[in-house]
Amino acid sequence: RKEVEQDPGPFNVPEGATVAFNCTYSNSASQSFFWYRQDCRKEPKLLMSVYSSGNEDGRFTAQLNRASQYISLLIRDSKLSDSATYLCVVKVASGGSYIPTFGRGTSLIVHP
Amino acid sequence: DADVTQTPRNRITKTGKRIMLECSQTKGHDRMYWYRQDPGLGLQLIYYSFDVKDINKGEISDGYSVSRQAQAKFSLSLESAIPNQTALYFCATSTRGTGELFFGEGSRLTVL
Repeated sequence: RKEVEQDPGPFNVPEGATVAFNCTYSNSASQSFFWYRQDCRKEPKLLMSVYSSGNEDGRFTAQLNRASQYISLLIRDSKLSDSATYLCVVKVASGGSYIPTFGRGTSLIVHP
Repeated sequence: DADVTQTPRNRITKTGKRIMLECSQTKGHDRMYWYRQDPGLGLQLIYYSFDVKDINKGEISDGYSVSRQAQAKFSLSLESAIPNQTALYFCATSTRGTGELFFGEGSRLTVL
């Protein structure tokens, strides 16, 4: 079982829709959680960090549920430009350090 | 100029050849990472280094070696390339603080 798991999708939604992705992690000692966006075969870029209290950046809302060990990303009013792969990143405890560990990514396709 | 630079950006080589991928950064970060990405598999960690004298294996280090020549430089070597090492390779840096990863543009390697 991978330490960080995501539904690969694709999620195919119309413009204006609201879409949500989840990401589960297996190590309860994990700290620091992030969502990255990756456009086709380009480098991943930070979308937002995820805080325990939840946080919002415009149309994007991220939440952390430590009890159930998952993080979520909600995108409201989807735009065509939101089409991309969304990568969940968790810093997993390993030998006294915390290592950034990626999920497989969730593909989002927003259509007109 | 990019803060994290990878060379070469594209390379085609033959089975059995030695290949080196280089990464340099101007961000002044102490932590550097090499990841490999295959279609549908997200990013998998090959090696990471928290400072010049610290080198650690990631989840898929077999067949790879690294060298941290200076704080700003982290090279990945394939001593004898094989076709299943065909992939997109990313170098990344981070600080101890935020944990945000900053990526190079990637090196696409094809082993025939």
